Amino acid sequence: KAGVTQTPRYLIKTRGQQVTLSCSPISGHRSVSWYQQTPGQGLQFLFEYFSETQRNKGNFPGRFSGRQFSNSRSEMNVSTLELGDSALYLCASSSTSGRTDTQYFGPGTRLTVL
Amino acid sequence: AQSVAQPEDQVNVAEGNPLTVKCTYSVSGNPYLFWYVQYPNRGLQFLLKYITGDNLVKGSYGFEAEFNKSQTSFHLKKPSALVSDSALYFCAVSQSAGGNNRKLIWGLGTSLAVNP
Repeated sequence: KAGVTQTPRYLIKTRGQQVTLSCSPISGHRSVSWYQQTPGQGLQFLFEYFSETQRNKGNFPGRFSGRQFSNSRSEMNVSTLELGDSALYLCASSSTSGRTDTQYFGPGTRLTVL
Repeated sequence: AQSVAQPEDQVNVAEGNPLTVKCTYSVSGNPYLFWYVQYPNRGLQFLLKYITGDNLVKGSYGFEAEFNKSQTSFHLKKPSALVSDSALYFCAVSQSAGGNNRKLIWGLGTSLAVNP
């Protein structure tokens, strides 16, 4: 099976712009989670989608939003970019959103905000 | 408060020696524990998880972890380290976010350096 894919792998934006990141989960997986990874804060949970519905949400401002399509592919959008949004954004997929289910991660999208 | 601690930012070990990466947790209810590894400029790779049963869990690449309920720990171990094991290791615990839905809590990571 193909793994989780994320596009693009690298992005450079300027403050105030918006950006959309894409994630394609492993075939058959219905749950997609998004994380922000920075050296200082580690991995921070953004949100999780399952069957096109947001199941859980982390403590991020409303500038961060997401959605999931009927084929389980997911997009994450960040509006009005700030310098502090520079990070590695990771997507993870799993069969379900159950507590014991393993998440499988994509390679990430490296976002740099100038 | 629910939390995961990886008390060592960095662990150094000589190739061929055993390695241990420590993880302790605080969570209500039964803990479900995970270890992941991250190589530079890569996503996280799943190593192993503890759900229930045998306290010693075997995973990928020769890694294993021991669940200790009384010490609320889930330390990652490998009998003989390889230079290629050098990476960033993350421990995570799954708590309930309502119903059976998960909310993963992550440690800040431990950088493992294996010296030749």
